[in-house]
Amino acid sequence: RKEVEQDPGPFNVPEGATVAFNCTYSNSASQSFFWYRQDCRKEPKLLMSVYSSGNEDGRFTAQLNRASQYISLLIRDSKLSDSATYLCVVNNRSGAGSYQLTFGKGTKLSVIP
Amino acid sequence: NAGVTQTPKFRILKIGQSMTLQCTQDMNHNYMYWYRQDPGMGLKLIYYSVGAGITDKGEVPNGYNVSRSTTEDFPLRLELAAPSQTSVYFCASSYEGRTNTGELFFGEGSRLTVL
Repeated sequence: RKEVEQDPGPFNVPEGATVAFNCTYSNSASQSFFWYRQDCRKEPKLLMSVYSSGNEDGRFTAQLNRASQYISLLIRDSKLSDSATYLCVVNNRSGAGSYQLTFGKGTKLSVIP
Repeated sequence: NAGVTQTPKFRILKIGQSMTLQCTQDMNHNYMYWYRQDPGMGLKLIYYSVGAGITDKGEVPNGYNVSRSTTEDFPLRLELAAPSQTSVYFCASSYEGRTNTGELFFGEGSRLTVL
């Protein structure tokens, strides 16, 4: 099983649609979880953290299921500006005591007018 | 605040040449990282540093070297460039290194082609 696995997409959705991305991770001891956004030919930027109780930031909702080792991101009322690649990121503690982030390959979203 | 600055943004190298990708940050972050991103692939950690004078290998360190003489700078050296090193390289930094916050600040990337 790959460390962090995502459906690569692309997801092509009309404006206003609701879209959900899923992600699974292999290390049951993973500490924390995040979604990053990467626009075409740009650097990744943190979108939101994912908490066990689920969390919302405007139109974006993130969920975590530790038992199933599964993370999701829901985008409601999609905007053209949401078009990007969404990276699922898992934080693991390394042997040296530091933390290292493992990035999924990303899911590409295209919102169509 | 410039954040994380990488140079050059683009570079074409011939096989066997060497070069250094520069990275500097002005946020006083003690952790810094170098990643590479190949098309359709996730970011892979090359090297990281937890502070001046301390560096450690990541997932894909072969063919690269780093140094961290100051908090601000973390250059990545490619020795004897190979076509397999054609990629986009991202430098990043984070505060305190307790990346439970998950927030890495990335530079804009350096696109390297080895022919």
